[in-house]
Amino acid sequence: QKEVEQNSGPLSVPEGAIASLNCTYSDRGSQSFFWYRQYSGKSPELIMSIYSNGDKEDGRFTAQLNKASQYVSLLIRDSQPSDSATYLCAATDRGSTLGRLYFGRGTQLTVWP
Amino acid sequence: EAQVTQNPRYLITVTGKKLTVTCSQNMNHEYMSWYRQDPGLGLRQIYYSMNVEVTDKGDVPEGYKVSRKEKRNFPLILESPSPNQTSLYFCASSSPPGQGSYNEQFFGPGTRLTVL
Repeated sequence: QKEVEQNSGPLSVPEGAIASLNCTYSDRGSQSFFWYRQYSGKSPELIMSIYSNGDKEDGRFTAQLNKASQYVSLLIRDSQPSDSATYLCAATDRGSTLGRLYFGRGTQLTVWP
Repeated sequence: EAQVTQNPRYLITVTGKKLTVTCSQNMNHEYMSWYRQDPGLGLRQIYYSMNVEVTDKGDVPEGYKVSRKEKRNFPLILESPSPNQTSLYFCASSSPPGQGSYNEQFFGPGTRLTVL
């Protein structure tokens, strides 16, 4: 069974701090990785995708991928109360041809003013 | 506006009464999927479809059926719903990898189903 595991949290940081979210995956053949943000009762929203080792930055968000360690992370700089949500890590199936994503159970982040 | 739509958004039903949750996307995506989300269990894939008339089971297919007769629609059918199917359901769509896409999935707004 392919697995994606996330630090269970909940994670609580003050406004303006850096929030660090971590994820490991079991399938060494996974090609693409995604971070989704989900507000309570709402649908997951794609915020970052990463396919190559290293860092990818988009505004206040930085995704980091280390395929050798099978590790993905998401850093949120200058955290805002509006960032309070559950963050889901996802990885594609081997070969990425099957249309499947495997999701972690999510990390709940609270940013307090 | 590019979107995935689901109907109904909320549904309360009784055990054994057949129901269908519709899903439609306007992005010309080949891939479509159904997920259920339960507290503490995360998102689990029920069924997915790589194209018209091509469907396959996900991790929790028992008690569900799907069909993909048109590219834009992917309905989820519960022939005989039971209380353990009470959940929040999401439909998602994506383009296959290699067409400027890496299978980023876009989700519908969700359907909250309660089976009494």
